[in-house]
Amino acid sequence: GAGVSQSPSNKVTEKGKDVELRCDPISGHTALYWYRQSLGQGLEFLIYFQGNSAPDKSGLPSDRFSAERTGGSVSTLTIQRTQQEDSAVYLCASSSTSRAAGYTFGSGTRLTVV
Amino acid sequence: AQTVTQSQPEMSVQEAETVTLSCTYDTSESNYYLFWYKQPPSRQMILVIRQEAYKQQNATENRFSVNFQKAAKSFSLKISDSQLGDTAMYFCAETSYDKVIFGPGTSLSVIP
Repeated sequence: GAGVSQSPSNKVTEKGKDVELRCDPISGHTALYWYRQSLGQGLEFLIYFQGNSAPDKSGLPSDRFSAERTGGSVSTLTIQRTQQEDSAVYLCASSSTSRAAGYTFGSGTRLTVV
Repeated sequence: AQTVTQSQPEMSVQEAETVTLSCTYDTSESNYYLFWYKQPPSRQMILVIRQEAYKQQNATENRFSVNFQKAAKSFSLKISDSQLGDTAMYFCAETSYDKVIFGPGTSLSVIP
């Protein structure tokens, strides 16, 4: 696609439920990144994919968080047993193999846990 | 650990004036890249400008320019002729091996 697409754009869920957030990167971009942005805060790195593998998942805050990427394209971030502190905007970005290119971001998913 | 610091949580500027946003960083890499991203209320992160660390010349993109001081590990953003559409959060960022790490951001308001 022309840009990075994330869905849903907004999600309200009850505490304890599982949620899945989807990211569709730019076609041909091999690298995909997930970040979390809490209200008024900067971006916190979660996980990075190169193709379908995740060389760096050091930012996942707990074992309730997991992510996968299939076909070198779409990625899903899953949060199990959601907690109120999981409320944030989850941003996905993709890039080509060159670090100099920077990222192209999606518009994010705003997750609210009530 | 590599860090990016933005010491100005909030700034404001009059329309048509010039403003400078500060950023300092720390890195153990010899070859790295620096970026400024803009995040307007729409939430969409937009790449404003990039700088390659091995290039001494400061990057410029229209009204946006940087002052890159490699020895001081400083990377400030200057916005000239500020416009209302420049109102946004601005994030300084650096490459850290295979990912990019971001500073906490500066909220810029352009006042009519």
